[in-house]
Amino acid sequence: QKEVEQDPGPLSVPEGAIVSLNCTYSNSAFQYFMWYRQYSRKGPELLMYTYSSGNKEDGRFTAQVDKSSKYISLFIRDSQPSDSATYLCAMTSSGGSYIPTFGRGTSLIVHP
Amino acid sequence: NAGVTQTPKFQVLKTGQSMTLQCAQDMNHNSMYWYRQDPGMGLRLIYYSASEGTTDKGEVPNGYNVSRLNKREFSLRLESAAPSQTSVYFCASSEAGFAYTFGSGTRLTVV
Repeated sequence: QKEVEQDPGPLSVPEGAIVSLNCTYSNSAFQYFMWYRQYSRKGPELLMYTYSSGNKEDGRFTAQVDKSSKYISLFIRDSQPSDSATYLCAMTSSGGSYIPTFGRGTSLIVHP
Repeated sequence: NAGVTQTPKFQVLKTGQSMTLQCAQDMNHNSMYWYRQDPGMGLRLIYYSASEGTTDKGEVPNGYNVSRLNKREFSLRLESAAPSQTSVYFCASSEAGFAYTFGSGTRLTVV
C-alpha cells in the first residue's frame, strides 16, 4: 500500500459544478498537506497548503484535512474549463528534510 | 521573473549515450530537487540538494548523477542512457521545504 492514495480519474464534470478531489494517507506523522495543479505539458504549481487539521479557503478553492480519518480534500466551487488539469496531493511531516510524498494525481475535466 | 528554468525541453537519445539536464532558479532558494514523472507512477524523487554543497539520493537514484554547481544551478546527468529512463524530468526548488516551485520539464526519450 502506498503512503498516499489518490484516484487517478478522470473526473468529468459540467462547468459550474462543485468538484471534490480526495487523498487518503497512512502515515500519521504527516503535518503539512499540499495541493498542486498541473496543466498538460507543464510543471506542477502549488495551489495551497494547510498545516495540521482544519480548513483553508482561497477564492473558489477550499482545502480540508481530517487527520483522524487520514483524509484530505480539495473542493472547487463554480468549476471552470480552465480548472481542467491534474491535481496532485502531497504531504510531509514537520521534522527532517520536509520532502513531500506525492499522490499520483487526479485528472479533472470541466466541460462547457 | 523566470522562476525555475530547465534545458533542454525535449531530447531524444540513443541507448548508451550520455547527457546532462540543466536547471537554474532565480529565487535564491536553498533547496533543489530532481523528479521524474511517468504515467501511473506519479512524481518520484531522483536526487535532491538541501543546500549548496550537499546532495542526497532520493527514491530512484540509480543511473543518475547530480551536481550542485552553485546556489542557482543543479544539473542531472545520465551517464549511459537506457530506455527505462524515458520520462519527463522536473527540477524544483524551495525555501520552505515543502512549497516547491517546479520548472516546465524536460521530455526525454531513449531509443
